[in-house]
Amino acid sequence: GAGVSQTPSNKVTEKGKYVELRCDPISGHTALYWYRQSLGQGPEFLIYFQGTGAADDSGLPNDRFFAVRPEGSVSTLKIQRTERGDSAVYLCASSPGTSGKETQYFGPGTRLLVL
Amino acid sequence: GQNIDQPTEMTATEGAIVQINCTYQTSGFNGLFWYQQHAGEAPTFLSYNVLDGLEEKGRFSSFLSRSKGYSYLLLKELQMKDSASYLCAVRVYNDYKLSFGAGTTVTVRA
Repeated sequence: GAGVSQTPSNKVTEKGKYVELRCDPISGHTALYWYRQSLGQGPEFLIYFQGTGAADDSGLPNDRFFAVRPEGSVSTLKIQRTERGDSAVYLCASSPGTSGKETQYFGPGTRLLVL
Repeated sequence: GQNIDQPTEMTATEGAIVQINCTYQTSGFNGLFWYQQHAGEAPTFLSYNVLDGLEEKGRFSSFLSRSKGYSYLLLKELQMKDSASYLCAVRVYNDYKLSFGAGTTVTVRA
């Protein structure tokens, strides 16, 4: 596709449930990022992949959050035992590489609501 | 983390000019980005500055002063479609993530 795509666009779940959010980066982009955006705030970094490996997961808030990118393309963000505070827009971005000038291109996000 | 400040809201008239300021405090500065985000949509890239000075792209310009930890985004000939949130983001050396400010909501009125 032409841009970063994310599915689902919206997800409503109940407290305590498990959710998976998917990101398809721009074809050929080796770097992939997950951010979380709460209402009225800027995106906050969660995790960064270079290829298949998580190069930096320092932004994951706790061990309920986990992300994978097994083939170096599609990534899945997994949240266990969801809490109401996890409600936010989860944004994925990709960039061609990792030099300092690389622009990150964002997907439309998944709006997660935990009831 | 980085301390990034920008005004919460600004209002301007169609056809006018608006300047959105962003200040940051960081060590190892390695670039400042501006993104535009319409409500419910993805942030879209507007500009990138890593050296001091002004970068111009059509109706949008971005300025950077590294010594002052200061940037601004200048929007000229405002159009109604420019109503959006504008996000300032900073990157540091040996780090690839962006640290964002809270965003400035610009409302353009007829």
